[in-house]
Amino acid sequence: KQEVTQIPAALSVPEGENLVLNCSFTDSAIYNLQWFRQDPGKGLTSLLLIQSSQREQTSGRLNASLDKSSGRSTLYIAASQPGDSATYLCAVRPLGQLSGTYKYIFGTGTRLKVLA
Amino acid sequence: ETGVTQTPRHLVMGMTNKKSLKCEQHLGHNAMYWYKQSAKKPLELMFVYSLEERVENNSVPSRFSPECPNSSHLFLHLHTLQPEDSALYLCASSQLTGELFFGEGSRLTVL
Repeated sequence: KQEVTQIPAALSVPEGENLVLNCSFTDSAIYNLQWFRQDPGKGLTSLLLIQSSQREQTSGRLNASLDKSSGRSTLYIAASQPGDSATYLCAVRPLGQLSGTYKYIFGTGTRLKVLA
Repeated sequence: ETGVTQTPRHLVMGMTNKKSLKCEQHLGHNAMYWYKQSAKKPLELMFVYSLEERVENNSVPSRFSPECPNSSHLFLHLHTLQPEDSALYLCASSQLTGELFFGEGSRLTVL
């Protein structure tokens, strides 16, 4: 059974720091992995999608990597800003039967606070 | 109109009420989802529709009843809910196995 873990659960950093958020998954048979951002009481905003054949994706100050063999993904945020404060979630879409490919498995997220 | 739109954003209902949540996507996607988000728990998949056909139920109680009249619209009908059903209900859409896009959510409080 696929399980997704995000450690730490919470993180506080001073403005300007580069930081790394971690996501681990137990089954390497995935179709893709997606990183999201969620502000309090709001929906999830897609940040980056990495297909299983890819090693990394970049968007602005964000870089996500994927190592399927070790079951890990990282989200690197460069030059963090107070506006980056939010909860960051990762989710994997398992390979398998068609119905299984709809089951994105989510981690519980890392709550990030960037201090001004 | 862009993305995934959910209405209402906030809903308060008694345990004997009947209400509905609505979701509309303007992305041309062919799969739509209902997720439940409770405090300190991972997102729970409730229902998935692909090409208007339900492909995943995920053992959700019958007091939650989904409806997908076409590929752009998804409803969640609610009746005789319990206080523990209070949560943020999120709608999402995707192209089959593609990127998942979420709406802003409907915050439900059951009294």
